[in-house]
Amino acid sequence: DTEVTQTPKHLVMGMTNKKSLKCEQHMGHRAMYWYKQKAKKPPELMFVYSYEKLSINESVPSRFSPECPNSSLLNLHLHALQPEDSALYLCASSPPPFNTQYFGPGTRLTVL
Amino acid sequence: GESVGLHLPTLSVQEGDNSIINCAYSNSASDYFIWYKQESGKGPQFIIDIRSNMDKRQGQRVTVLLNKTVKHLSLQIAATQPGDSAVYFCAENRSGGSNYKLTFGKGTLLTVNP
Repeated sequence: DTEVTQTPKHLVMGMTNKKSLKCEQHMGHRAMYWYKQKAKKPPELMFVYSYEKLSINESVPSRFSPECPNSSLLNLHLHALQPEDSALYLCASSPPPFNTQYFGPGTRLTVL
Repeated sequence: GESVGLHLPTLSVQEGDNSIINCAYSNSASDYFIWYKQESGKGPQFIIDIRSNMDKRQGQRVTVLLNKTVKHLSLQIAATQPGDSAVYFCAENRSGGSNYKLTFGKGTLLTVNP
């Protein structure tokens, strides 16, 4: 298995909903990432997990809550989001020494 | 090529021509560079990478050139095809800091005309 998978592909949620995004890789990569990408912009880093521990939180609002249950899985829990949080959410993973990152297809999130 | 600004730089080429996408970086400490291709509605796809101890690296139909003197990176695509139409991002990884953080360029939209 040589890819990063993400589910769901699309998600529409209201501002009071709670939802989760899921990311999975079976390449043995020990770092996993969440990015947010707005249209016509580069990806913006949100969180990094290294060896299942949260290494970087780029001052992301607490309505986004990451979780890394094991070395293959990464979740992003969403609660009380705002319409401006609508974006493409990308997951990535990388093997040591963590120079290169491999991205999943993304989840297109729309907050109404 | 890529540059700071509000609009996505664009490059339009004819099918079969060679394409050159440029990227400037600012940090001399950056020692690893990556090119990604992002098609509409998809995630960025790794194309090729290069370390700062190299000037050139070739892949299948792609070549990356690195000029550390002027902090310039380019991606050359030979015999460009309609399937090459996408946004291309360069990314740099800075030593001395966290390896986990990639700094992305603004992106260049490549359009291939049949």
